Amino acid sequence: NFMLTQPHSVSESPGKTVTISCTRSGGSIASNYVHWYQQRPGTSPTIVIYEDNQRPSGVPDRFSGSIDSSSNSASLTISGLKTEDEADYYCQSYDTTNRVFGGGTKLTVL
Amino acid sequence: QVRLVESGGGLVKPGGSLRLSCTASGFTFSDSYMSWIRQAPGKGLEWVSYISGSSYMIYYGDSVKGRFTISRDNAKNSLYLQMNSLRVEDTGVYFCAREYRGYEQWGQGTLVTVSS
Repeated sequence: NFMLTQPHSVSESPGKTVTISCTRSGGSIASNYVHWYQQRPGTSPTIVIYEDNQRPSGVPDRFSGSIDSSSNSASLTISGLKTEDEADYYCQSYDTTNRVFGGGTKLTVL
Repeated sequence: QVRLVESGGGLVKPGGSLRLSCTASGFTFSDSYMSWIRQAPGKGLEWVSYISGSSYMIYYGDSVKGRFTISRDNAKNSLYLQMNSLRVEDTGVYFCAREYRGYEQWGQGTLVTVSS
């Protein structure tokens, strides 16, 4: 099995750019796609990035994803931060028999 | 419109059993890979189990292996999770989710509380 590690929390001001990392331990980050989810309090998660860097329809282009094989990590970048972006964000990947979520990152926009 | 609706949650004593259901609509359920994902109070997401469209492939997370059983009835557009030997640490909201390009759709969740 593998693990995905995220920072517990990040904070940034409105209008700024923030990047949330997701580091894979046990296997290559590039071997399986990484997906990202947003979860606001009291609601179900929604996908904001799929397959490393693809944006579902309806997700603003302020959201972008990437992977970096040198650090074995994936990143979610949100530019032009808005107060509505304040939420928990989870990365997720998989292998043949498992699906794994990162521990989640609480984004505060203050 | 894609919709997933979970039901069957509730309060159960440690060692007890519970069966969750998830009813799907708005997409071809029989072609869809489905998962159960849970979230303990104030905690992160944890993948529980996965089933392929034909039920040929079934996988479980280590924490539930041997205690939980996932199944589906494609004629009823329904997904199930039979949970036995429940533990206090199984408490949380249980979501069903459709897996396509990541988990594209999620239900609203059903709360399971394991307490004496």
